[in-house]
Amino acid sequence: KAGVTQTPRYLIKTRGQQVTLSCSPISGHRSVSWYQQTPGQGLQFLFEYFSETQRNKGNFPGRFSGRQFSNSRSEMNVSTLELGDSALYLCASSLEAGMSTDTQYFGPGTRLTVL
Amino acid sequence: QQQVKQSPQSLIVQKGGISIINCAYENTAFDYFPWYQQFPGKGPALLIAIRPDVSEKKEGRFTISFNKSAKQFSLHIMDSQPGDSATYFCAASENDKIIFGKGTRLHILP
Repeated sequence: KAGVTQTPRYLIKTRGQQVTLSCSPISGHRSVSWYQQTPGQGLQFLFEYFSETQRNKGNFPGRFSGRQFSNSRSEMNVSTLELGDSALYLCASSLEAGMSTDTQYFGPGTRLTVL
Repeated sequence: QQQVKQSPQSLIVQKGGISIINCAYENTAFDYFPWYQQFPGKGPALLIAIRPDVSEKKEGRFTISFNKSAKQFSLHIMDSQPGDSATYFCAASENDKIIFGKGTRLHILP
């Protein structure tokens, strides 16, 4: 079974631009969560989608948004990029909603650099 | 109150030794405490998790000890091996919103 895939793996953008990251969950998984990982702040939860609905959201500004499609694939969008948005963005999938009820499987991440 | 404080930041252990990583929290509403292992260039992977109604959980060489009254929990890696060298994150979750510790970089000497 293929794991969680994220595209692109690396991305370089400039301040003010917007970016869209993609995540394909493990086949059959319906829940997708997104995380930001930086050396300073560590791992931070962005949001969780289940059955095309945002189920949970972390403490990030509205510039960070996401969506989930009917095939469970998910996209994350960051608008008006700031230098501080440089990070590894991780996607994780699970069969059911809620990380406390089901094991999440992480993808390798997308490394975003904002210049 | 939403923080999870993890220590130490880095740890070096001899092969065969016991690696111990500690975490502390303030929010008593947390109801799920997972530990993740992350190798360079990879996403984190769930290692072991515990709920507050249990004081200890063991899976192979990995054990979580949970002290509800002290609001602390720890990961013990018995017979540590060079392949255990990775970054370990503790976390705590309330209503499926998860807070991570800052991570511990573990290095096992061969």
